[in-house]
Amino acid sequence: QKEVEQDPGPLSVPEGAIVSLNCTYSNSAFQYFMWYRQYSRKGPELLMYTYSSGNKEDGRFTAQVDKSSKYISLFIRDSQPSDSATYLCAPAGDTGRRALTFGSGTRLQVQP
Amino acid sequence: DTAVSQTPKYLVTQMGNDKSIKCEQNLGHDTMYWYKQDSKKFLKIMFSYNNKELIINETVPNRFSPKSPDKAHLNLHINSLELGDSAVYFCASSSPGLQYFGAGTRLSVL
Repeated sequence: QKEVEQDPGPLSVPEGAIVSLNCTYSNSAFQYFMWYRQYSRKGPELLMYTYSSGNKEDGRFTAQVDKSSKYISLFIRDSQPSDSATYLCAPAGDTGRRALTFGSGTRLQVQP
Repeated sequence: DTAVSQTPKYLVTQMGNDKSIKCEQNLGHDTMYWYKQDSKKFLKIMFSYNNKELIINETVPNRFSPKSPDKAHLNLHINSLELGDSAVYFCASSSPGLQYFGAGTRLSVL
């Protein structure tokens, strides 16, 4: 079993839709949960992070963590064509020196 | 100002050659990383340095050698390049804290 699993997509939605992106992980030591957005031919860009279980909202984006089921979600409201990118989840044991374990990423396409 | 910058952005070379990729960060971070992203988009850690000290060295061929002359720079030298080395190589830094990535170096080995 991979340490972090994501559906690779592509996920295609119309503009304005609510998007749900999900990850599962196996390591119960993970405490921090990051979401990165990667545009084509660009580096991963930190989008949001949460600590432990719960929700965090930032504008149109909401990150949700359920540690009991080892399930991570990112919701995008009122999706825009500019949201078209690959979204990578990256849980970590701490945010210190440890390297991140990335999911494979989900490619999202928002159709105008 | 770019926070984490890598050079070159593109590198096309022949099998057997030796090449280097440079990375610099102006964020004042203590820790820097090299990741490799293959054609299937998986990002995997290769090396990590904290204040010029190697702290993570994943199972990477000896042909790959990182060097950190100071905590703002982390370079990657690759000897005897092979076809399978073709990938995008990303540098990142953190302080400790969240990691920030460079734009990547796209390496193509012919």
